[in-house]
Amino acid sequence: AQTVTQSQPEMSVQEAETVTLSCTYDTSESDYYLFWYKQPPSRQMILVIRQEAYKQQNATENRFSVNFQKAAKSFSLKISDSQLGDAAMYFCAYTYLRDTGTASKLTFGTGTRLQVTL
Amino acid sequence: KAGVTQTPRYLIKTRGQQVTLSCSPISGHRSVSWYQQTPGQGLQFLFEYFSETQRNKGNFPGRFSGRQFSNSRSEMNVSTLELGDSALYLCASSPRGRITDTQYFGPGTRLTVL
Repeated sequence: AQTVTQSQPEMSVQEAETVTLSCTYDTSESDYYLFWYKQPPSRQMILVIRQEAYKQQNATENRFSVNFQKAAKSFSLKISDSQLGDAAMYFCAYTYLRDTGTASKLTFGTGTRLQVTL
Repeated sequence: KAGVTQTPRYLIKTRGQQVTLSCSPISGHRSVSWYQQTPGQGLQFLFEYFSETQRNKGNFPGRFSGRQFSNSRSEMNVSTLELGDSALYLCASSPRGRITDTQYFGPGTRLTVL
């Protein structure tokens, strides 16, 4: 079974500083994608960044970047120059390519609540 | 393009009642997935619909059902509500549900069962 683990229930970072959120996953699939989603107090899930497992290069999106360690099944999110608007719940998620050629369901971790302080 | 919309945004029901939630995907998106979010269980997959057919299903009792219409709008129904059904129900849409597709989430429907 595929599992996603986020071991940090809460994290805090000062504005303008850098923070790293951790995620590990377990899978026997070879073709899969990993994601970080952000859920602010409005509760709407927003995609932050995605990583295709076959790509060795770590994905980056502006201030957000990942450290994808495929052998270790680790997928951490680094937020640089943290802003007050980054405060939210962050979920790590995983999907794999099914035999039907479609994506499996998204499997989510339990989330990390990020607090940004002045 | 307009985003994924869900109606209603809030619902209060009593045990034993049934409820129908609606999701309108982004225009052109044909795959719609439903997720239940609770503090205890986190985010759990309910089902996925594509072209009016249920293509994938999570581990929920038969009280949870869904359907998709020809315009890709989807509804989910929960019959004989239980207190444990109180949750945020999220809908997500993507063009075809391919692994390369990004899933876009709606704002959710907050269901409270009393």
